[in-house]
Amino acid sequence: AQSVTQLGSHVSVSEGALVLLRCNYSSSVPPYLFWYVQYPNQGLQLLLKYTTGATLVKGINGFEAEFKKSETSFHLTKPSAHMSDAAEYFCAVFPGGYQKVTFGTGTKLQVIP
Amino acid sequence: DTAVSQTPKYLVTQMGNDKSIKCEQNLGHDTMYWYKQDSKKFLKIMFSYNNKELIINETVPNRFSPKSPDKAHLNLHINSLELGDSAVYFCASSLRTVNTEAFFGQGTRLTVV
Repeated sequence: AQSVTQLGSHVSVSEGALVLLRCNYSSSVPPYLFWYVQYPNQGLQLLLKYTTGATLVKGINGFEAEFKKSETSFHLTKPSAHMSDAAEYFCAVFPGGYQKVTFGTGTKLQVIP
Repeated sequence: DTAVSQTPKYLVTQMGNDKSIKCEQNLGHDTMYWYKQDSKKFLKIMFSYNNKELIINETVPNRFSPKSPDKAHLNLHINSLELGDSAVYFCASSLRTVNTEAFFGQGTRLTVV
């Protein structure tokens, strides 16, 4: 069975500062990994995903994440936070086949002007 | 055009009632899902259908019954609603199960009073 741990249910950064949202996973097989963003009263939107190949993945809105197998991590970063980045962020892991996607518990990002 | 649309967006109902939530996707995807997001934003899969066939059925009370009349539609019927059913229900779809870049609907906020 797989699991996802997101460290920090709330993260606050100043506008223009680095954003770092942490995600660690466990999976019995090499998984697919995802980051989703949820704005208030909205559904989830895919930010980026890792399937195979390059371990540094670039997504929308200037976000990127690096898959580190040795650390079983897939942390999300953005060099400079913008007010519009304030939202809930979910990390998810998928082992493949007909298995389910498991989501982390989410990290709420607050951007302080 | 909305990719994944679900109706209604808000649903307030009394305990013991039966209600349905409808979902349609116009992306030509093979796989559709229902997720439940509780008040703490925890997101959990309930059901998954691939080409109208049920492939994932998590531990969900049998008061919840999904129905997929065709691969573009996945409806959720809930019998004998309970207070604990209050949550946001998300429909999602993906091209196929091995590519779970899921596209989410806007959610249905169900409140049981």
